[in-house]
Amino acid sequence: QKEVEQDPGPLSVPEGAIVSLNCTYSNSAFQYFMWYRQYSRKGPELLMYTYSSGNKEDGRFTAQVDKSSKYISLFIRDSQPSDSATYLCARGGGSNYKLTFGKGTLLTVNP
Amino acid sequence: SAVISQKPSRDICQRGTSLTIQCQVDSQVTMMFWYRQQPGQSLTLIATANQGSEATYESGFVIDKFPISRPNLTFSTLTVSNMSPEDSSIYLCSVALERGLAGNQPQHFGDGTRLSIL
Repeated sequence: QKEVEQDPGPLSVPEGAIVSLNCTYSNSAFQYFMWYRQYSRKGPELLMYTYSSGNKEDGRFTAQVDKSSKYISLFIRDSQPSDSATYLCARGGGSNYKLTFGKGTLLTVNP
Repeated sequence: SAVISQKPSRDICQRGTSLTIQCQVDSQVTMMFWYRQQPGQSLTLIATANQGSEATYESGFVIDKFPISRPNLTFSTLTVSNMSPEDSSIYLCSVALERGLAGNQPQHFGDGTRLSIL
């Protein structure tokens, strides 16, 4: 079982839609999670990170962690064509600062 | 955040040759990391490079194949040695800017080096 599982999509939505991106993880020892956005031919850009269960909001983005079900989500409200990118979830922790990534979900927001 | 520059941005190489990738950061950082991103695969950590010590390699990656240098707090190199087509990938460096609790750190990435081996 992979440590972080993420549906690769692709996911296509109309502009203005609410987008839900999801990951599951298997190792409950580490509880530090990140979401990255990666545009084509660019490096991953940190969107959000959170330590614990619950929601964290930043503008149109909300990160949600459910430790009981080992489920992490990213919600994008009022999606825009500029949100079209690959979204990567990751979990961190441990003495070596290692991040473990999901495979990424390709999102397209159609105008 | 920090500005992280990688060179070259892309290259096409012959099998059996070696290529050195450079990563420059605009501020001093303790922790630098090298990742590989293959099509359809997760970003995978190759090694952690700390200034003044040997790089720490992840399972499946060895120093002879991926030697790393970290001469100072703003610079690192990764060499991909004796390349084969299986080494075709995107190679990314990242940095951790802050020390946090129990090593829980967001990392910030460069734009990567797109490497193709013929």
